[in-house]
Amino acid sequence: GAVVSQHPSWVICKSGTSVKIECRSLDFQATTMFWYRQFPKQSLMLMATSNEGSKATYEQGVEKDKFLINHASLTLSTLTVTSAHPEDSSFYICSAKTRGTEAFFGQGTRLTVV
Amino acid sequence: GQNIDQPTEMTATEGAIVQINCTYQTSGFNGLFWYQQHAGEAPTFLSYNVLDGLEEKGRFSSFLSRSKGYSYLLLKELQMKDSASYLCAVRTPSGGYQKVTFGTGTKLQVIP
Repeated sequence: GAVVSQHPSWVICKSGTSVKIECRSLDFQATTMFWYRQFPKQSLMLMATSNEGSKATYEQGVEKDKFLINHASLTLSTLTVTSAHPEDSSFYICSAKTRGTEAFFGQGTRLTVV
Repeated sequence: GQNIDQPTEMTATEGAIVQINCTYQTSGFNGLFWYQQHAGEAPTFLSYNVLDGLEEKGRFSSFLSRSKGYSYLLLKELQMKDSASYLCAVRTPSGGYQKVTFGTGTKLQVIP
């Protein structure tokens, strides 16, 4: 099956710093990538949808200036959490798809802001 | 808005059969997914239904009724490793694209 690699798997950062999370589709070209956030014991919450070469579409309540998404190529999308705060600590998951297929998930990134 | 309902928790016995229900009220419908998620891990795809009826894949089956806004995931011959959260997700059209909304998940505990 299709492989989506997410990096890093976990990261600890200081409050006020920025963190970049990468999502790569290893064996297919991802026309669309999705970014989710999951707080403990809660379901996945879609943050934004990005299509290669165009600006990401953010869900209601997600600050686009805080969560910067770049989908510069058909195999790479990045999520940058800017000026991170402890309340941004969460499990961030990306998924990627190409036309006509389901979306495949990365392994997730656990972000802890101290 | 989109509303997807699943039971919060279920318990079943090893070797038994369990059915996890999902009801949805959405603006549009382009398919329903079931995912398995073990604690601390990313979800794993189980099934995708876009037409009414039953889809079977090994020990797992998924059923969809679009007119009733209803789906279920059926797990047979339960194993201890099936203890996980099961997420129902609905794909809907959104501004020219597709959007997937997840239910809150059903935490299944398999006991000996």
